[in-house]
Amino acid sequence: DQQVKQNSPSLSVQEGRISILNCDYTNSMFDYFLWYKKYPAEGPTFLISISSIKDKNEDGRFTVFLNKSAKHLSLHIVPSQPGDSAVYFCAASVTIRAGSYQLTFGKGTKLSVIP
Amino acid sequence: ETGVTQTPRHLVMGMTNKKSLKCEQHLGHNAMYWYKQSAKKPLELMFVYSLEERVENNSVPSRFSPECPNSSHLFLHLHTLQPEDSALYLCASSQEGSSYNEQFFGPGTRLTVL
Repeated sequence: DQQVKQNSPSLSVQEGRISILNCDYTNSMFDYFLWYKKYPAEGPTFLISISSIKDKNEDGRFTVFLNKSAKHLSLHIVPSQPGDSAVYFCAASVTIRAGSYQLTFGKGTKLSVIP
Repeated sequence: ETGVTQTPRHLVMGMTNKKSLKCEQHLGHNAMYWYKQSAKKPLELMFVYSLEERVENNSVPSRFSPECPNSSHLFLHLHTLQPEDSALYLCASSQEGSSYNEQFFGPGTRLTVL
C-alpha cells in the first residue's frame, strides 16, 4: 500500500503560469516532507522541503504548502519556466532513530512547461 | 569530482553474470543508501548504511549484496539476477544527526538483465 501518492502522472502548463503539483500521504508519523526534481539521465535533486510544524515554505519561485489535517501537500511553481520541465517526486520522512531518517517517495509527476 | 558519483552509468548483464555497481560520495556524509526505481513505481529503498554499518534491509533478495568499506564508498554486488531486476539503481548519501533530512542522489546506473 502506497504511503505517499502522487495521483497525477503528468501535468502540462503554459510558460509564465502557475504549476501546482499535489501529493497525499497516509502515515501520520511522517514529520518532514521534501520535493525532488529529476531530469532524464540524472539522479533526483533536492528542491524544497517543509517541516510538519509549518504550513508553508517559500524559496524563490517555489512554495510548498502542507495541510496536515488533510494529509496533503502541494508544490507551487510561479511563474513556470521551460527549464522546470522534469519529473517531480514528493517524499515524506519518518524518524527511525535520533538523527536518522527514512524517506518514502511517491511515483512522481512529469511536468511539461510549454513555451 | 563533486556530489555523488555512480559507475557504470549503464550495464547490461545476463542472468548468470556477476557484476558490481559502485557509488562514491564526496560530501563528507556518514550515511549511504541504495534505491531501486522501476518503471511507473516509486523509488524503493533497498539498503541503508550508517557509519558503515547496515541498519536497514527491506527484505531485498539475496542476489543483491551491498558492501560499504568506508563512509565514502558503497557497492552493490549482483549475481544471478532476473529480468525483473532491470531498473535504475540510485545511490544517495546524507548526514545523519543534522537537522535536515535531505538525501543527495547520484545519477544512477541503468541496469538491464537479459
